[in-house]
Amino acid sequence: RKEVEQDPGPFNVPEGATVAFNCTYSNSASQSFFWYRQDCRKEPKLLMSVYSSGNEDGRFTAQLNRASQYISLLIRDSKLSDSATYLCAVTPGNTGKLIFGQGTTLQVKP
Amino acid sequence: EPEVTQTPSHQVTQMGQEVILRCVPISNHLYFYWYRQILGQKVEFLVSFYNNEISEKSEIFDDQFSVERPDGSNFTLKIRSTKLEDSAMYFCASSAQRGNNEQFFGPGTRLTVL
Repeated sequence: RKEVEQDPGPFNVPEGATVAFNCTYSNSASQSFFWYRQDCRKEPKLLMSVYSSGNEDGRFTAQLNRASQYISLLIRDSKLSDSATYLCAVTPGNTGKLIFGQGTTLQVKP
Repeated sequence: EPEVTQTPSHQVTQMGQEVILRCVPISNHLYFYWYRQILGQKVEFLVSFYNNEISEKSEIFDDQFSVERPDGSNFTLKIRSTKLEDSAMYFCASSAQRGNNEQFFGPGTRLTVL
């Protein structure tokens, strides 16, 4: 089983749609969770950390389910500019390294 | 807004040559990382660095790789004898702390080994 798994997509949605991505992780001792956004041939940009209680930043909502070992990202009112690859990242145990998923590609169409 | 910078943006080298990739982390950050991303694949951890020593390294980070913080600002990744399979984007990242660390990535160096 991969350490961090994501559905690669692509997810093709119209502008204004709500879209959700899931990410599963295999290490139950994982401590920190993040969503990054990566545009083509660019660096990962931190979108948001994911907290146990769930957190929201504008149109973006992230949730963590430790029992089922997955995190989710919900994007409301999708914009064309949201088109990118969304990377889930996890720190396994008491370590600083990030383990990334393969990424989920989102294409928002007019 | 402070950011991580990397040079060069693109490096082309011959197989067997040494390359040094340079990074300037965010100034008040204490933890530094290198990752790589082969085209079409996921971002992979290479090494973490804290207090002038390696904290952790992956299986990828073999004897051909080394890291150094030669002064108070630069953080370098050296590949001693490049192989074709070293061709990838190399990203430097830094964070203020290790636990619940938010890591910020530089724009990357595209390394092409011919």
